[in-house]
Amino acid sequence: GESVGLHLPTLSVQEGDNSIINCAYSNSASDYFIWYKQESGKGPQFIIDIRSNMDKRQGQRVTVLLNKTVKHLSLQIAATQPGDSAVYFCAENKFQAGTALIFGKGTTLSVSS
Amino acid sequence: DAGVTQSPTHLIKTRGQQVTLRCSPKSGHDTVSWYQQALGQGPQFIFQYYEEEERQRGNFPDRFSGHQYPNYSSELNVNALLLGDSALYLCASSLGVSPLHFGNGTRLTVT
Repeated sequence: GESVGLHLPTLSVQEGDNSIINCAYSNSASDYFIWYKQESGKGPQFIIDIRSNMDKRQGQRVTVLLNKTVKHLSLQIAATQPGDSAVYFCAENKFQAGTALIFGKGTTLSVSS
Repeated sequence: DAGVTQSPTHLIKTRGQQVTLRCSPKSGHDTVSWYQQALGQGPQFIFQYYEEEERQRGNFPDRFSGHQYPNYSSELNVNALLLGDSALYLCASSLGVSPLHFGNGTRLTVT
């Protein structure tokens, strides 16, 4: 079936480095994508979203890139901090089908100082 | 401004029993969605409530049911519990097409 997946289950970086977390999606009809951060014992926390009519969107220290040609989504975190350590999920949605999100399996980001 | 609150935080039940989980949405939100998150996996959509009706449903059996009240709070009910129902149950609220805001979940253990 169609699902959102992530390329790497784990990513380890040094404090201050830039992190890139990748995600591949298979449903070309999806028109909304979103990244969540989930810390241990907590629910997912919204980071940034992007609609399919955009290629790039920037937030505070984060950038999401969408490549519809290869159906690829990435989250870039600048100057990664220990507090960024968490599991990161990408999710997709097709608005015509409702607002339910389809989540991938997640990438665990570990930041060492 | 309180975010999404869920109760209880942890729950232990026996196979065959029934359970009710509760959720209060973020202030100003009118739509509540429920997700199941197995250990090490991403959340899976169960269903969504809007205007006290189930608006959308994922691939979950009828043992999973819900309700939304006029104050937008919601309940998730699971009947005839199975060991495989052990998971973190997440409630999320939203307004229109705004991003989902999640609570910290209820950890359900079925023994």
